[in-house]
Amino acid sequence: DQQVKQNSPSLSVQEGRISILNCDYTNSMFDYFLWYKKYPAEGPTFLISISSIKDKNEDGRFTVFLNKSAKHLSLHIVPSQPGDSAVYFCAASAGDSNYQLIWGAGTKLIIKP
Amino acid sequence: DVKVTQSSRYLVKRTGEKVFLECVQDMDHENMFWYRQDPGLGLRLIYFSYDVKMKEKGDIPEGYSVSREKKERFSLILESASTNQTSMYLCASSPNSEPQHFGDGTRLSIL
Repeated sequence: DQQVKQNSPSLSVQEGRISILNCDYTNSMFDYFLWYKKYPAEGPTFLISISSIKDKNEDGRFTVFLNKSAKHLSLHIVPSQPGDSAVYFCAASAGDSNYQLIWGAGTKLIIKP
Repeated sequence: DVKVTQSSRYLVKRTGEKVFLECVQDMDHENMFWYRQDPGLGLRLIYFSYDVKMKEKGDIPEGYSVSREKKERFSLILESASTNQTSMYLCASSPNSEPQHFGDGTRLSIL
């Protein structure tokens, strides 16, 4: 039973447009969420996070939105650039724990020129 | 910049062999982690350690053990490798309450 779901295995977006990656979770105890980006042959790198006390967190071109009632979060990338082409993972944890992250299966984002 | 180094990028072993995967971090982080990544499944936590000589089971510890004798080094051991342990293995480290930093992974094939 996957507690963190990324239902789109891949997403193709035109360069300069907005990319929206989605993530759903089932465990209401999750209170901290992270997005990681992964290029081929490299490990994941941390992108942005959000605590459940917020509904939005912004860092440059990246914004994460959290809808607790829907148990849904999304990552917006504006504007999308070719270097954004990668696999994006959503992860969640419960309580004061950085240990037990539960990960989604990832979404491959392709930015078309 | 944090550096997490995994000793091998690619490794091929035979069933029944004892396999060691090594991971070293250079930032004095308290916590270290071992994951495996399989297509369609995301990352799954095998073991983690929050201090020297301390270890905790993750979601899928069966068939694996770990060792952390020094703060900077965290080893994953496959006691008797099996073909279903063919996977990408990722090591990570973090300070307390901060995001994890990952190595580039070891692609392990068990024949």
